[in-house]
Amino acid sequence: AQSVSQHNHHVILSEAASLELGCNYSYGGTVNLFWYVQYPGQHLQLLLKYFSGDPLVKGIKGFEAEFIKSKFSFNLRKPSVQWSDTAEYFCAVNARAAGNKLTFGGGTRVLVKP
Amino acid sequence: DSGVTQTPKHLITATGQRVTLRCSPRSGDLSVYWYQQSLDQGLQFLIQYYNGEERAKGNILERFSAQQFPDLHSELNLSSLELGDSALYFCASSLGTSGGAMAEQFFGPGTRLTVL
Repeated sequence: AQSVSQHNHHVILSEAASLELGCNYSYGGTVNLFWYVQYPGQHLQLLLKYFSGDPLVKGIKGFEAEFIKSKFSFNLRKPSVQWSDTAEYFCAVNARAAGNKLTFGGGTRVLVKP
Repeated sequence: DSGVTQTPKHLITATGQRVTLRCSPRSGDLSVYWYQQSLDQGLQFLIQYYNGEERAKGNILERFSAQQFPDLHSELNLSSLELGDSALYFCASSLGTSGGAMAEQFFGPGTRLTVL
């Protein structure tokens, strides 16, 4: 079945460490890619998105993601995390092949220790 | 604040009951989406409406239904509730999805449903 996979369910790291969260999808054809963040007790907020153009996308709060079409991947990165980055991160794919439905990965819980 | 509003914030009810969740999209957005977030299933797409018409269906149970009204607000109706329906229900909206366009979705704060 076509899907979106996030490799890590939980990540624990210290402040100032670098963060990379993996996301792979299995849809062919045109895709729009998103990373959402859900802070504890809050709703989903968009971190960044890729529709077309430069595959290196910069988002809010110092996050960036790289779309690698050949690898069907859209990994999220942040060079130096802060305690306030503690949250759950969701990769999402909107694929024409899937009827334009937004399909989410399982999420990665990130805990940043002060 | 995304501009998407949902009511109520919390809902506690008993098995077998029926509830209605309400969503108001961002001003100008024509599409409304409903999602269920639970610990075991993650974030699952339920259903989408575009300008009053059902546009896409996901993993929505037959006990659940939705509609979008002329003023573009939407309601999700959950009936014959079971313990397993306890979850966070999110609504999202986007400008449109006219078949080809795949627009960014903005999420509301969610309704936490607890079925006892």
